[in-house]
Amino acid sequence: KQEVTQIPAALSVPEGENLVLNCSFTDSAIYNLQWFRQDPGKGLTSLLLIQSSQREQTSGRLNASLDKSSGRSTLYIAASQPGDSATYLCAVLTSEKLVFGKGTKLTVNP
Amino acid sequence: KAGVTQTPRYLIKTRGQQVTLSCSPISGHRSVSWYQQTPGQGLQFLFEYFSETQRNKGNFPGRFSGRQFSNSRSEMNVSTLELGDSALYLCASSPWLRVPSYEQYFGPGTRLTVT
Repeated sequence: KQEVTQIPAALSVPEGENLVLNCSFTDSAIYNLQWFRQDPGKGLTSLLLIQSSQREQTSGRLNASLDKSSGRSTLYIAASQPGDSATYLCAVLTSEKLVFGKGTKLTVNP
Repeated sequence: KAGVTQTPRYLIKTRGQQVTLSCSPISGHRSVSWYQQTPGQGLQFLFEYFSETQRNKGNFPGRFSGRQFSNSRSEMNVSTLELGDSALYLCASSPWLRVPSYEQYFGPGTRLTVT
């Protein structure tokens, strides 16, 4: 059974800091891994998708890496801004469904 | 291109009632999945539809059901509502099934409150 874990559960940083969010999964048989952002009471916004054959993807200040063999992914956010405050979720696509972690709640203080 | 739309956005029901939620996927997308999000359990998979057929089902009681129409729009139904069904119900669409390059696109969700 695929399980996804995100550490830390919450993170508070000052504006401008670079930060890393971690995601681990128990079964390497995945199609892809997606990082999402969720603002309070809202739906999910897709940030980055890494296919199982890829190692990393970049979009603006965001960079996500995938190490399928060790079951780990990281989301790197450069020069954080207060607008980055949200919950960040990672999810892996298996042969049956998308399995989510519980998320990391990020607060960026001005 | 319009995104995934869900209706209604908010719903308040009483225990024992039933409810139907609707999801319209992005144009051209054929796969629709439903998820329940609660503070305690996080995001849990309900079911997935492709070409009007249920492909996978999560670990939820039979009170939860769904269907997909020929235009890929999907509905989910919850009968005999319980307080624990209060949650944000999210719908996601994708062009196809299990293609590594295809993202899951989520709608804004329906917030269901059962009193």
